[in-house]
Formats: sequence, C-alpha cells, structure tokens
Amino acid sequence: EPEVTQTPSHQVTQMGQEVILRCVPISNHLYFYWYRQILGQKVEFLVSFYNNEISEKSEIFDDQFSVERPDGSNFTLKIRSTKLEDSAMYFCASSAGQGANFYGYTFGSGTRLTVV
Amino acid sequence: AQTVTQSQPEMSVQEAETVTLSCTYDTSESDYYLFWYKQPPSRQMILVIRQEAYKQQNATENRFSVNFQKAAKSFSLKISDSQLGDAAMYFCAYHNAGNMLTFGGGTRLMVKP
Repeated sequence: EPEVTQTPSHQVTQMGQEVILRCVPISNHLYFYWYRQILGQKVEFLVSFYNNEISEKSEIFDDQFSVERPDGSNFTLKIRSTKLEDSAMYFCASSAGQGANFYGYTFGSGTRLTVV
Repeated sequence: AQTVTQSQPEMSVQEAETVTLSCTYDTSESDYYLFWYKQPPSRQMILVIRQEAYKQQNATENRFSVNFQKAAKSFSLKISDSQLGDAAMYFCAYHNAGNMLTFGGGTRLMVKP
C-alpha cells in the first residue's frame, strides 16, 4: 500500500536554528499538508499546498514557516528560527483530490521535533 | 469555524466487548466528510473509517462502524469484539470543501485482557 514517508523520525535542534522537515507524498496525490501535534494536545492544521502554492494556512503558520516542493517528489517544511514552543510531532499528509473526489488523507509517521 | 468535540478523554473496554466513542461537531455546512483516526503509541495517524455527510447509510469497516446523526451533528464510533491492538488514541475529524481537517481532542482507549 502506498505510503507517505517522513524524514527524519526525530530531530533535536537548538533554539534559534533552522530545521527542514522532509516528506515524500504518495506519487499520484496532488494535495499536500502539514499538521502538528504538541504533546498531549490536539492535532492542528498548519498549511495546505496545491499546484506549487499554498492554498490555505492557519494562524500558526507565520513568517517563521515556509513550505516548498523542490522537485517532483519531496515536500518540505522549514522553520527558520526555532522556538521552544515549536517542539511537537509534525505530520505530513497527502490526498488525491478535493470536493467530490476527496477520499481522505494519508498521513506519514511523523517527525518528532525537539527544540532545546 | 468548525469545531469538533470528543467528550470522553479516556475509555476502557474488556477484550472482546463493544465500546462506543462519542464525537460531536459544529458546522453550518451541508456537505462535508467525517473521519475517525487511530493513533497508536507509534503516533502514526491511521484512518479507521470515513463518512460522507450526504450519505444516510452509516459507514462500516469490519469491526468498526459509525452512528452518524446529521441533524444532531453526532458521529460516534463503535468498536465490536475489541482487541488488544485497538488500544490507542482515537481522533474524530471533520473536513469540508476547504483544505483542512479539524480534529477533536482525542479519546484514549484502553483494552483490558
């Protein structure tokens, strides 16, 4: 069964450093997403991406965050200057369609980001 | 904005018994999707079951079924013949014509042998 692959599984970084979280969505999916889950809290939407641009973003997704699809397979989330409160599990997801063609999201196994 | 509420932070069930997890949501939309996701200790999000709001028939996937009450905005998950491997966090989620899922706060399900 096709999978969404995320690397690394765990990243530890110092406060103020830049991190890039990587994702390989399912190959025929067109819509890509990042979500995060702070330990013990809800899963929160960050951003959705379609046709090489952001289609929607949440209040959490401020200027410190950016996303990119640098080639035909990878989808990355960059945090420019990490803060302690960025420590969370970050999930990448992809879906084949929207509206009437929406079946659901396939999530990756997540990247645990720890900012120290 | 849509909200999703799971009123049971924790539930427990005896192995082989049936358990029902509750979920309510608030929306003004008429066309949307509802999901239940399972998050085991590995923390991966695994799709359990999906319901389209325009379908009156309740979705079923093997031992998992839902009770979808559109007028009441209720979407409960029933797990029959519970197994030890069902122990996990369960999240209810809402998706409309936009590009995001809105999750509930989760219910931790414990299965007793």
